[in-house]
Amino acid sequence: SYVLTQPPSVSVAPGKTASITCGGNNIGSTSVHWYQQKPGQAPVLVIYYDSDRPSGIPERFSGSKSGNTAALTISRVEAGDEADYYCQVWDSSSDHKGYVFGTGTKVTVL
Amino acid sequence: EVQLVESGGGLVQPGGSLRLSCAASGFTFRSYWMHWVRQAPGKGLLWVSRISSDGSSTIYADSVKGRFTISRDNAKNTLYLQMNSLRAEDTAVYYCARDTGGYSGYDPFDPWGRGTLVTVSS
Repeated sequence: SYVLTQPPSVSVAPGKTASITCGGNNIGSTSVHWYQQKPGQAPVLVIYYDSDRPSGIPERFSGSKSGNTAALTISRVEAGDEADYYCQVWDSSSDHKGYVFGTGTKVTVL
Repeated sequence: EVQLVESGGGLVQPGGSLRLSCAASGFTFRSYWMHWVRQAPGKGLLWVSRISSDGSSTIYADSVKGRFTISRDNAKNTLYLQMNSLRAEDTAVYYCARDTGGYSGYDPFDPWGRGTLVTVSS
């Protein structure tokens, strides 16, 4: 089955930049979406179609993709950015088509 | 305001059944594909199932295929998940989410409901 690999954790000081990677075969040929999930809350879409930002999401959040890796970057990190982040794609390549989430990354603000 | 509210979770014994509901409001429910996604305690997100806007097309994760059935009632603006032959590993918070596209599968989920907890235990 298709796997999206993320680092388990990222630590960053306030005001600095956090980068979260999402690796998967042929990720370059599909759209990647990113969700933020704070403790006890539902996931919230923060980046879609690799690099678009929904209304209401700060410009500090940006997305990119190169080769088999997508990335979510959070600039000028704030304490409120502390959360789990998941990437997600639609896997149409296998016999068992479905949606796949990354393994998740916990962002800790020091 | 677009809103999704799940209900129907609870404690069920292994082998038992449960039906979850997701009440939608603030948008034209019948125009959107809908999903169920679950999250086991302390674990990551796992997609469960998707249904097309008219209910004619459904797909499932391998882990629930043959045991879970997704359905919808567009007249009641409600999404359902019928869960049969439940196992301990089905214990999770179950979220419903709206598909923003409804054509290709390449579109994101937005918004999500707050979830309902299903616990499978004897």
